[in-house]
Amino acid sequence: GAGVSQTPSNKVTEKGKYVELRCDPISGHTALYWYRQSLGQGPEFLIYFQGTGAADDSGLPNDRFFAVRPEGSVSTLKIQRTERGDSAVYLCASSLVGEDGELFFGEGSRLTVL
Amino acid sequence: AQKVTQAQTEISVVEKEDVTLDCVYETRDTTYYLFWYKQPPSGELVFLIRRNSFDEQNEISGRYSWNFQKSTSSFNFTITASQVVDSAVYFCALSEAFSGNTPLVFGKGTRLSVIA
Repeated sequence: GAGVSQTPSNKVTEKGKYVELRCDPISGHTALYWYRQSLGQGPEFLIYFQGTGAADDSGLPNDRFFAVRPEGSVSTLKIQRTERGDSAVYLCASSLVGEDGELFFGEGSRLTVL
Repeated sequence: AQKVTQAQTEISVVEKEDVTLDCVYETRDTTYYLFWYKQPPSGELVFLIRRNSFDEQNEISGRYSWNFQKSTSSFNFTITASQVVDSAVYFCALSEAFSGNTPLVFGKGTRLSVIA
């Protein structure tokens, strides 16, 4: 597809379980971002990749959160030992290098931790 | 510290009315970008505009216009002759550098409802 694709669109899990959320960016976009959006709030930055490496992971809330982008395209956000407070919509965005802030977002993955 | 404040949580207008969405920002940097994004019910944020801190000229794009005033640290967004399709949550955002793709700091958003 032409846009940023995120799967699953919805994920319900139990507290303590492990989850993976996938992001397929727009072809040719080397910059990839993960944001988290709680109800009634704006998106909060989690991590930014430039190619395969995490250029900025300062937004990850703790060591239960981890993200990879092994081939510089698809990225996976991994959350270990999920907690109810992790419930949110996880948004992925991609952009071209140099187009600062002009991000193309996916529709998000809604995570619900019971 | 960087912060974006959108004081209006929700606004309702009747179709064809003009509406202004307010945005106030805080930053210690002298070089920064300001943005507006639209989030329709589908959830996918859509980029509307980027403005750099050196350019205070107002911008107009169709029914949309933006007013950037550094003196009041504001970057307000006006929709003229609103339409039902404008109904969405609108986010103002800030990034603090020109070099590299630095993360955006978003406000909490303003939900706009345009009633037919």
